[in-house]
Amino acid sequence: DIQMTQSPSTLSASVGDRVTITCRASQSISSWLAWYQQKPGKAPKLLIYKASSLESGVPSRFSGSGSGTEFTLTISSLQPDDFATYYCQQYHTFLYNFGQGTKLEIK
Amino acid sequence: QVQLVESGGGVVQPGGSLRLSCAASGFTFSNYGMHWVRQAPGKGLEFVAFIRYDGSDKYYADSVKGRFTISRDNSRNTLYVQMDSLRVEDTAVYYCAKDRGVTVATQMADYWGQGTLVTVSS
Repeated sequence: DIQMTQSPSTLSASVGDRVTITCRASQSISSWLAWYQQKPGKAPKLLIYKASSLESGVPSRFSGSGSGTEFTLTISSLQPDDFATYYCQQYHTFLYNFGQGTKLEIK
Repeated sequence: QVQLVESGGGVVQPGGSLRLSCAASGFTFSNYGMHWVRQAPGKGLEFVAFIRYDGSDKYYADSVKGRFTISRDNSRNTLYVQMDSLRVEDTAVYYCAKDRGVTVATQMADYWGQGTLVTVSS
């Protein structure tokens, strides 16, 4: 099984900050990685697919990079609406799985 | 617009059964694979099951294999999961989600329902 590990688990930041969340896979997943945003009590929302492709309608302040085993999600200038929990998901294998999540909090 | 509405959640005793439904609208349901993903209270997301657009293939997480059965009725635009031999650890919000790819499974979910809570407790 491929293990997905996100860091940090919690991140405190301010509006306007640039933040980066890291996701590491236990083995190479090429670029088969997606990022989701989830707000409390709501369903996840797809942000990024194939490691760096922005889903339609997602603001351009979100970007993704990486390949192989190390990936990052960057928010260039945090907006109030961005405080949420972020999950990476590998889909290199058909039985996909998620990282444990990174909670982005207001400092 | 795409809408996915889950129903069927509730409280059930360990060893019991429950069937969840997901009514889909706003897209051609028969062209898309569909997922069930769950989230235990305060925890992360967990893949449960996937079914191809035509029902030809089904995939299950090891944690539910042999106990859960995913199915779909393309004439009714509805996705199901039959959950048998339920365990306390199956307690979670269950989301249905639409696969991003048309007829080809991408294993990414671009639209999700609001979720339905299943509580397994004696």
